[in-house]
Amino acid sequence: DQQVKQNSPSLSVQEGRISILNCDYTNSMFDYFLWYKKYPAEGPTFLISISSIKDKNEDGRFTVFLNKSAKHLSLHIVPSQPGDSAVYFCAASALTGANNLFFGTGTRLTVIP
Amino acid sequence: ETGVTQTPRHLVMGMTNKKSLKCEQHLGHNAMYWYKQSAKKPLELMFVYNFKEQTENNSVPSRFSPECPNSSHLFLHLHTLQPEDSALYLCASSRGGTGGLSYEQYFGPGTRLTVT
Repeated sequence: DQQVKQNSPSLSVQEGRISILNCDYTNSMFDYFLWYKKYPAEGPTFLISISSIKDKNEDGRFTVFLNKSAKHLSLHIVPSQPGDSAVYFCAASALTGANNLFFGTGTRLTVIP
Repeated sequence: ETGVTQTPRHLVMGMTNKKSLKCEQHLGHNAMYWYKQSAKKPLELMFVYNFKEQTENNSVPSRFSPECPNSSHLFLHLHTLQPEDSALYLCASSRGGTGGLSYEQYFGPGTRLTVT
């Protein structure tokens, strides 16, 4: 059973607007969450992360929000740029799971110029 | 070379062939991973090595055999694969140990494997 879910396989947004990518998880033991971005023919690259002791982490145009009670996190990109077009993966880890990450299936973001 | 490198980038092999995938990390990390990415499925963790010791084998068939001779190199030996094993195989590394930074994994570009 998939422990990390990204229910939207794709998202299209106009340049300059906000992109919101969503992720849900089922394992209450997860305590660290990450977002990765993947361009074609490249491996995923780390984007931003958040610990379960926080509910928000911001890095430039990227902000991750965590709602532990809902087991939900989201990635906000504002303003969106055409170079942000990529597949975004949500990942989660549990302290007892050492370094193992559980990934979602990804959301393909297309930013339209 | 910087980061995580993987060779070859593309591989086509028959079901009776034996081949190996190679991964090298130049980040001074102590943990290395093999993942499989199939279309429309999440990244599937296959193997984890922490300080050269295998700490995870995620029910991977024996036709996949990992080898970690040192903390910088990781191999995946392939033998008598099936067409359904065709996928993108990604290698990753991380600091190892515990704590937030150890969760951040750095990925190579992957090897696109096609089994005919």
